Amino acid sequence: GAVVSQHPSWVICKSGTSVKIECRSLDFQATTMFWYRQFPKQSLMLMATSNEGSKATYEQGVEKDKFLINHASLTLSTLTVTSAHPEDSSFYICSAGRGDTGELFFGEGSRLTVL
Amino acid sequence: AQSVTQLDSHVSVSEGTPVLLRCNYSSSYSPSLFWYVQHPNKGLQLLLKYTSAATLVKGINGFEAEFKKSETSFHLTKPSAHMSDAAEYFCVVSQNTNAGKSTFGDGTTLTVKP
Repeated sequence: GAVVSQHPSWVICKSGTSVKIECRSLDFQATTMFWYRQFPKQSLMLMATSNEGSKATYEQGVEKDKFLINHASLTLSTLTVTSAHPEDSSFYICSAGRGDTGELFFGEGSRLTVL
Repeated sequence: AQSVTQLDSHVSVSEGTPVLLRCNYSSSYSPSLFWYVQHPNKGLQLLLKYTSAATLVKGINGFEAEFKKSETSFHLTKPSAHMSDAAEYFCVVSQNTNAGKSTFGDGTTLTVKP
């Protein structure tokens, strides 16, 4: 099956620094990728839709200047958490769709801890 | 418009007994339906999917689900639970051809007792 790789799996940073998370589709081209945030014991919350070669589409309430998304190629999307604060600590997951069935392929997730 | 409701936030079973995780959906079109499993600090893995073919869908690890249009349900079952099945399960409804229009259920935590 299709593989989506996400890196890093774990990251700890100091408050005020920026963190970049990468999401790669390894064996298919993904014109669209999705970024989610997941709080403990909760479902996934869609943050934004990443579109190759164009601006990301953010969900209501998500700060686009805080969560910068770049989709520079058909296999790579990045999420940068800028000027991170402890409240940004969370589990971030990316996914990509392939085919015409609506199926999503998920990365392994990235646990961000901001001290 | 679409929505999905997972009827149980927690399900606890004994090892070797059947598993039933319930999911109801609503959709204004013919949907695709998915069950995903998530282990702690991991991404989501597809268990099975319904995409307008056979209504009884078999997935990985012995799981299966039946699409019942009249009941708008897509319940996940397994005849015999294994300790490794303990995880979070998500039911997802999606518009065909457009993965971006996916709606996630709130999840069901499955606990398997020895």
